[in-house]
Amino acid sequence: EAQVTQNPRYLITVTGKKLTVTCSQNMNHEYMSWYRQDPGLGLRQIYYSMNVEVTDKGDVPEGYKVSRKEKRNFPLILESPSPNQTSLYFCASSLTGTSRPYEQYFGPGTRLTVT
Amino acid sequence: AQSVAQPEDQVNVAEGNPLTVKCTYSVSGNPYLFWYVQYPNRGLQFLLKYITGDNLVKGSYGFEAEFNKSQTSFHLKKPSALVSDSALYFCASYNTDKLIFGTGTRLQVFP
Repeated sequence: EAQVTQNPRYLITVTGKKLTVTCSQNMNHEYMSWYRQDPGLGLRQIYYSMNVEVTDKGDVPEGYKVSRKEKRNFPLILESPSPNQTSLYFCASSLTGTSRPYEQYFGPGTRLTVT
Repeated sequence: AQSVAQPEDQVNVAEGNPLTVKCTYSVSGNPYLFWYVQYPNRGLQFLLKYITGDNLVKGSYGFEAEFNKSQTSFHLKKPSALVSDSALYFCASYNTDKLIFGTGTRLQVFP
């Protein structure tokens, strides 16, 4: 089954304790992206990657890191989480095209609470 | 700057009635527009997209959307709502390798 998986689905942590949220896709997609969803703000992009070893900042990258060492994986790293990073996080992937955009496939989400 | 607006936080409709979820956009160049749906405790699912061509786009689950260039709108529609259509709907615009999302509209369909 074609899918994007994220782990963990739920995470409660304390301020300053480094954490990683994993994301993996099995569709051989070049493009991967991380979003956070907050009430009243919709989804905002954190980082994205056009292919292996290529990453770029989205609209809200502060406090986050990513890496893309393999095509299928795109982990999100919070080196020193703070309470304002409490949010619902989504990973997504898609094909890429120079002449047209493709629809993105989303993971099930990771609900993060930082106390 | 590119943006997408969903002017209604919530839309209520009775089952069997037609529904419309509104979206307006502000982009430079050709607009590439998407609708996604989010069911409770789930990720977003793609419904439909407008790239070019016919202004009426048909998508999944009986949904369609009408692209109107003069009004810069891309409203989502369905002729007959189902209770199971109750969810959070997002309009999005694609620009330079990323999607810009609206704030979402919660659709509530009452039996």
